[in-house]
Amino acid sequence: GAGVSQSPSNKVTEKGKDVELRCDPISGHTALYWYRQSLGQGLEFLIYFQGNSAPDKSGLPSDRFSAERTGGSVSTLTIQRTQQEDSAVYLCASSLARAGGGSEQYFGPGTRLTVT
Amino acid sequence: SQKIEQNSEALNIQEGKTATLTCNYTNYSPAYLQWYRQDPGRGPVFLLLIRENEKEKRKERLKVTFDTTLKQSLFHITASQPADSATYLCALNNAGNMLTFGGGTRLMVKP
Repeated sequence: GAGVSQSPSNKVTEKGKDVELRCDPISGHTALYWYRQSLGQGLEFLIYFQGNSAPDKSGLPSDRFSAERTGGSVSTLTIQRTQQEDSAVYLCASSLARAGGGSEQYFGPGTRLTVT
Repeated sequence: SQKIEQNSEALNIQEGKTATLTCNYTNYSPAYLQWYRQDPGRGPVFLLLIRENEKEKRKERLKVTFDTTLKQSLFHITASQPADSATYLCALNNAGNMLTFGGGTRLMVKP
């Protein structure tokens, strides 16, 4: 079946502009995650959606970052007034949500954001 | 503070040898530990999950150990091949579905 998809694959924007990144998770996966990965670095957690629960936004680096998940499926990550330090690969993942945890995550290919 | 450490230096080995990667953690009590593979320009791919009450898990040429006393996991690839060259990430979760990732170790297998 289809995996996690993300769009666009690449985005170049000017400093100060807003950007929207999209994630289509695997059908039936109730959990959705956004991460950021800078060049040569590990994954930095941003936000986590689980079903109809309030999202865990503890990883968002500033109030310029927001995300929503409509209808329990597609998610959009919005970065307002982009800064050069926002340049990174933004990865989305989805998983089944098991009681007690331990679900493996399935990642999309990422969106490479470059802020000039 | 909580910390997950993986060797940031690349591991270079000869084809056919066993590669061993290390993941150490502090101030965590993870219920599960997972290993992922990441190729350049792509998202991580899940490889193996091991539970806190399991000492060892195997899948084909892969073996993972989990020592909750040492707070360490070892990831082994036996009979390594050039196609195994990638970055390997360990990730911990504490009984929930969220994961915290280590910085990854790059493995280079030379023919």
